[in-house]
Amino acid sequence: ETGVTQTPRHLVMGMTNKKSLKCEQHLGHNAMYWYKQSAKKPLELMFVYNFKEQTENNSVPSRFSPECPNSSHLFLHLHTLQPEDSALYLCASSQGYGLAGGPGVDEQFFGPGTRLTVL
Amino acid sequence: GEDVEQSLFLSVREGDSSVINCTYTDSSSTYLYWYKQEPGAGLQLLTYIFSNMDMKQDQRLTVLLNKKDKHLSLRIADTQTGDSAIYFCAESTTGGGNKLTFGTGTQLKVEL
Repeated sequence: ETGVTQTPRHLVMGMTNKKSLKCEQHLGHNAMYWYKQSAKKPLELMFVYNFKEQTENNSVPSRFSPECPNSSHLFLHLHTLQPEDSALYLCASSQGYGLAGGPGVDEQFFGPGTRLTVL
Repeated sequence: GEDVEQSLFLSVREGDSSVINCTYTDSSSTYLYWYKQEPGAGLQLLTYIFSNMDMKQDQRLTVLLNKKDKHLSLRIADTQTGDSAIYFCAESTTGGGNKLTFGTGTQLKVEL
C-alpha cells in the first residue's frame, strides 16, 4: 500500500467511549500531523511529530491524546469526547519539518481522513 | 497572528474559467499553496508559488500573487466537472518551517 492511510474511515462513538484513530504512512517521511476539519472553518492543526517527538500541540484538549511509536505510525486516542468534536480528522506526513526547505521537503501528503461523529 | 480567508462557495458552468480567491495576513509568507480535496479524500497539493513570484502557470492552472495586497488567486481554465472539489489556500512563513496555515476552503461546484 502506498501513501498515507487512515483507519477507520468512519467512527460513531458515545461521549463515554474510548476509541483510537490510526494513521500509517508508507513514504519514508519523518514528520506526521493530525488536523481537524470542521465545516466552514479553517483546517486546524492539532499535533505535529518529528522523528517520533511531539513538536507541536496546538492547545488541544486533553481528551485527545496522540501517540507516535515510530515515524510511520501515528495514533489519536479519544476519550470523553463532546458532540462538538465531531469532524473529519486528517493525518498528513512530510519529508521534513521546520527546515523551511520549500515544497520539496515541506509538502504534506494527506490521508483520506476519519469521519468522527460523537453522539 | 496568521489568518487566511477564502469565500466558502463558487459555482461555475462547465467550460468557463473559475477564479478562487484567498487573502492572507502574514507578510513573512515564504510559500503559498493551493490544495484540492475531492469528496471522501484527503487534501492533495495542486500547485504552489514562492513569495517572490507574481505568477505561475501550470497547464489549466494559473496562480496570481499580489504580495502588496496579500492576495492570492487560482484560475482554472476550461473548468470541468472533475474539478468540483474543495480548494484550500495555505501559507507557510519564515521561521515557521513547513507549518501551514490553511483557509476555510472554497467549495467549487461545476454545473453542466
